[in-house]
Amino acid sequence: GNSVTQMEGPVTLSEEAFLTINCTYTATGYPSLFWYVQYPGEGLQLLLKATKADDKGSNKGFEATYRKETTSFHLEKGSVQVSDSAVYFCALLSGTYKYIFGTGTRLKVLA
Amino acid sequence: DGGITQSPKYLFRKEGQNVTLSCEQNLNHDAMYWYRQDPGQGLRLIYYSQIVNDFQKGDIAEGYSVSREKKESFPLTVTSAQKNPTAFYLCASSIYSGGRDTEAFFGQGTRLTVV
Repeated sequence: GNSVTQMEGPVTLSEEAFLTINCTYTATGYPSLFWYVQYPGEGLQLLLKATKADDKGSNKGFEATYRKETTSFHLEKGSVQVSDSAVYFCALLSGTYKYIFGTGTRLKVLA
Repeated sequence: DGGITQSPKYLFRKEGQNVTLSCEQNLNHDAMYWYRQDPGQGLRLIYYSQIVNDFQKGDIAEGYSVSREKKESFPLTVTSAQKNPTAFYLCASSIYSGGRDTEAFFGQGTRLTVV
């Protein structure tokens, strides 16, 4: 079946450091891929998305490229801020209404 | 503003009681979902509904029930049969565009605690 695997956290970085959160997926067909962010005590907000191979999603300095050959959708940001501290979820949608989420990666950015 | 409203934000329940969590959306979305979130386990799908008067079980439906009498509303009942109901519950909705770029929109969540 479809699945999403994320790197385990927590990830702790200093402000202005480079961020990578790995995400790989298993799916039949050609899924759409998403990154969501969750701040403490809140719901999930869409951060970015990509719908076909080689698409790059970007928002608020975050980027992720849909790599079909490696079945990956890694999240990157060149310079993180304290306000980026949150839990990040990778997700896919393949062929139906059902979204599949990874387990989430907690990011902590220190000033 | 369009969005998804979950209420209440915090809910306390005594063991053996049923409790209903509210979810309302004014986005005119066809599909609605309920997820359960536990620490370190990500989101697990409880139920989803693609259309009014129809819904399907997700991966962890036991001990839960839903209804979809209106397009805007998708309440979740946590019954006394749910063995470990303390969790953060998230409602979501999406529009079926027939395409591949359909993201899910989430409410702010309800934290249920059994006391």
